[in-house]
Amino acid sequence: DTEVTQTPKHLVMGMTNKKSLKCEQHMGHRAMYWYKQKAKKPPELMFVYSYEKLSINESVPSRFSPECPNSSLLNLHLHALQPEDSALYLCASSQVGLEGQYFGPGTRLTVT
Amino acid sequence: DQQVKQNSPSLSVQEGRISILNCDYTNSMFDYFLWYKKYPAEGPTFLISISSIKDKNEDGRFTVFLNKSAKHLSLHIVPSQPGDSAVYFCAASGGTNAGKSTFGDGTTLTVKP
Repeated sequence: DTEVTQTPKHLVMGMTNKKSLKCEQHMGHRAMYWYKQKAKKPPELMFVYSYEKLSINESVPSRFSPECPNSSLLNLHLHALQPEDSALYLCASSQVGLEGQYFGPGTRLTVT
Repeated sequence: DQQVKQNSPSLSVQEGRISILNCDYTNSMFDYFLWYKKYPAEGPTFLISISSIKDKNEDGRFTVFLNKSAKHLSLHIVPSQPGDSAVYFCAASGGTNAGKSTFGDGTTLTVKP
């Protein structure tokens, strides 16, 4: 199984809502990532988890809160987002170290 | 300061010919380089990588070349097929960027039948 799954595929939320994005992989990868991608731009790294511990936070606003409950799951909790946070949110996983990352299909988020 | 640059936003190639996608980087601490392909409405797919101890890596129709002195890498696709039409991202990691990849802006490849 070389798949990374993400739910939901699409999400529309108001600025006062709380929602969560979910990501799952069963490849035994111990590094998991959250990226944000705007149209016609490259993926922009947000967070990296290594062995279920947060290892990199790219100065992401606190309205985004990551969580790694176990080695297969990664969540991104969203609260009080702004319209400019509307984007494609991508999850990825890899072996720890210098390896290619496997990306999920993304969650298309719209903040109204 | 953009550390990974893909200066050609788009490239159009005839089916069966060679596609050459280029990438330049500025951070001399980068020691691992990757290429990803992305179709619309999908996440990027890892294609091929190269470590700085090598200057070439080949996988089927895809070959990546690394010129460390010029801080330049390229992806060759031979022969190109219409299904190769996608956005190609170059990425680099290493040094203080260990554990994360810095992506270029991408090049849209169109392979015409």
